[in-house]
Amino acid sequence: QQQVKQSPQSLIVQKGGISIINCAYENTAFDYFPWYQQFPGKGPALLIAIRPDVSEKKEGRFTISFNKSAKQFSLHIMDSQPGDSATYFCAASISAGNMLTFGGGTRLMVKP
Amino acid sequence: DAGITQSPRHKVTETGTPVTLRCHQTENHRYMYWYRQDPGHGLRLIHYSYGVKDTDKGEVSDGYSVSRSKTEDFLLTLESATSSQTSVYFCAISASTGGAYNEQFFGPGTRLTVL
Repeated sequence: QQQVKQSPQSLIVQKGGISIINCAYENTAFDYFPWYQQFPGKGPALLIAIRPDVSEKKEGRFTISFNKSAKQFSLHIMDSQPGDSATYFCAASISAGNMLTFGGGTRLMVKP
Repeated sequence: DAGITQSPRHKVTETGTPVTLRCHQTENHRYMYWYRQDPGHGLRLIHYSYGVKDTDKGEVSDGYSVSRSKTEDFLLTLESATSSQTSVYFCAISASTGGAYNEQFFGPGTRLTVL
């Protein structure tokens, strides 16, 4: 049973466009929602994270939108660049445990 | 990769043989984790450790055991490897938990193929 569902599995975006990746969760006890970026042959690295007390967090071209009532959160990449081509994972955890539950991943390709 | 090394980086083995993967950290972080990564499943937690000799099971622990005799080393053992354990294995570390949102730092991964 996958507690965090991620879509789409793959995404192709033109350079300069907006990339949007969505995640939905089931466990209402989750209270920390990070996004990880992974390049081929590398381990995942934290990109941006949000807590449920805010509806949006922005860091540079990356924005997380959070909808607590719908139990959904999404990653928006503005002005997408070829260097953003990577696999993106959403995740969730309960603060007391710190164990991450990951979504299935989205392979993003940004075409020049 | 935040002072985390994994060895070996690649391994091919045969069904039924024991395999041990090693994670070594130089950050002196308390928490260490083993995940496996498979297409469509993201990363799934196998086992984790919250201190020397303190370990617990994760989501997909069957067929795996772990040991942590020193803060810096966390070993993952497949007692009798099966083809279903073909995967990429990642080690991660974090400083602490208990109400704090501490980032998990991941190692470079080990690609294991069981024939």
